[in-house]
Amino acid sequence: GPKVLQIPSHQIIDMGQMVTLNCDPVSNHLYFYWYKQILGQQMEFLVNFYNGKVMEKSKLFKDQFSVERPDGSYFTLKIQPTALEDSAVYFCASSLEHHSGNTLYFGEGSRLIVV
Amino acid sequence: GQQVQQSPASLVLQEGENAELQCNFSSTATRLQWFYQRPGGSLVSLLSNPSGTKHTGRLTSTTVTKERRGSLHISSSQITDSGTYLCQGGSAKLIFGEGTKLTVSS
Repeated sequence: GPKVLQIPSHQIIDMGQMVTLNCDPVSNHLYFYWYKQILGQQMEFLVNFYNGKVMEKSKLFKDQFSVERPDGSYFTLKIQPTALEDSAVYFCASSLEHHSGNTLYFGEGSRLIVV
Repeated sequence: GQQVQQSPASLVLQEGENAELQCNFSSTATRLQWFYQRPGGSLVSLLSNPSGTKHTGRLTSTTVTKERRGSLHISSSQITDSGTYLCQGGSAKLIFGEGTKLTVSS
């Protein structure tokens, strides 16, 4: 089936440094999402993105977070600067439509460890 | 904001029994999707069903949109069905529930 690819799968980074998580969504999809899951905890919504703009974001989407999809390439989540509490698995998802029965496809996740 | 409640939190069954998992939304949801989360964390999409009933294999998803609830029925459970089942949905923000941990034993 359709695949969402996430790069990197794992990253260890020093607190205060910048990190960019990359997502290659399903090719014809228009809606993009990021979720955060701390080990053993609930999957938390961060942000969704359509037509070059953030549609909705949660309280977890701090000022240090930003998303973009320049020129239809990777959909990226940037954290600058990183903090210890940003350690988590970040999942990217994409969908053809937002309000529908279309399937939301998820990547395998990017495990971020901030030390 | 939107909240998603899943019940039960955990369920223990004998192989061959049926499972019924519930999902309730605090406000109107325009989409509902069920996932299985593997032990390593990756998600397997099971059914996307904003309203009505959908089947695939041993899985049946029923969503009653106006009552803001959905259910996932697993018939003739197998040991390999063990794991965490997540309900996700909403309207503007698509939120996950905390999951139902299913254990199927022989």
